[in-house]
Amino acid sequence: AQTVTQSQPEMSVQEAETVTLSCTYDTSESDYYLFWYKQPPSRQMILVIRQEAYKQQNATENRFSVNFQKAAKSFSLKISDSQLGDAAMYFCAYRGGYGGATNKLIFGTGTLLAVQP
Amino acid sequence: DAGVIQSPRHEVTEMGQEVTLRCKPISGHDYLFWYRQTMMRGLELLIYFNNNVPIDDSGMPEDRFSAKMPNASFSTLKIQPSEPRDSAVYFCASSLQGFSYNEQFFGPGTRLTVL
Repeated sequence: AQTVTQSQPEMSVQEAETVTLSCTYDTSESDYYLFWYKQPPSRQMILVIRQEAYKQQNATENRFSVNFQKAAKSFSLKISDSQLGDAAMYFCAYRGGYGGATNKLIFGTGTLLAVQP
Repeated sequence: DAGVIQSPRHEVTEMGQEVTLRCKPISGHDYLFWYRQTMMRGLELLIYFNNNVPIDDSGMPEDRFSAKMPNASFSTLKIQPSEPRDSAVYFCASSLQGFSYNEQFFGPGTRLTVL
């Protein structure tokens, strides 16, 4: 079975600084997607960024980027120029298969990010 | 589009009572998911539907939980009888096969408290 591990329950960063959140996963599948979701105090789950396993290039969305190491099964999230609005719980998630073969999202336990002014 | 709609947003009930959570997916989406979030277990998938048909209910904790999707625009998650350990935030999400990598769009969640 696939598992997702986030080893940092809490992180803190100064406003305008850079922070990296860690995620590792375990799978025997070769095709899969990885995601980072943000959950602010409002509870709304917001997709931050995604990575297709077949792509070697790391995904980037504005201030958010990932470091995807397929062989190491590592998928870290880097937030540059941190803003107060980035404070939230961040979840790493895995979904196996292409073409809807499976649509199950498997989540890590989350990392609570605090941003200090 | 209004996004995924869940009701109620908050529910407080007493042990033994029946609880029904409701979800309206995004129009046109063909997948619907129910998740539960607790401090102890994190976010876990309970069940998901494709074209109104349950595909995987292996995450449903026990027979007290049931989910239905009578049509493409409505789903319910029912707990009967409810127990204090069912207290959690329940999320509904929907997705469209082939759209944006089957991205799941989440509703705002229902916070359930069972006393």
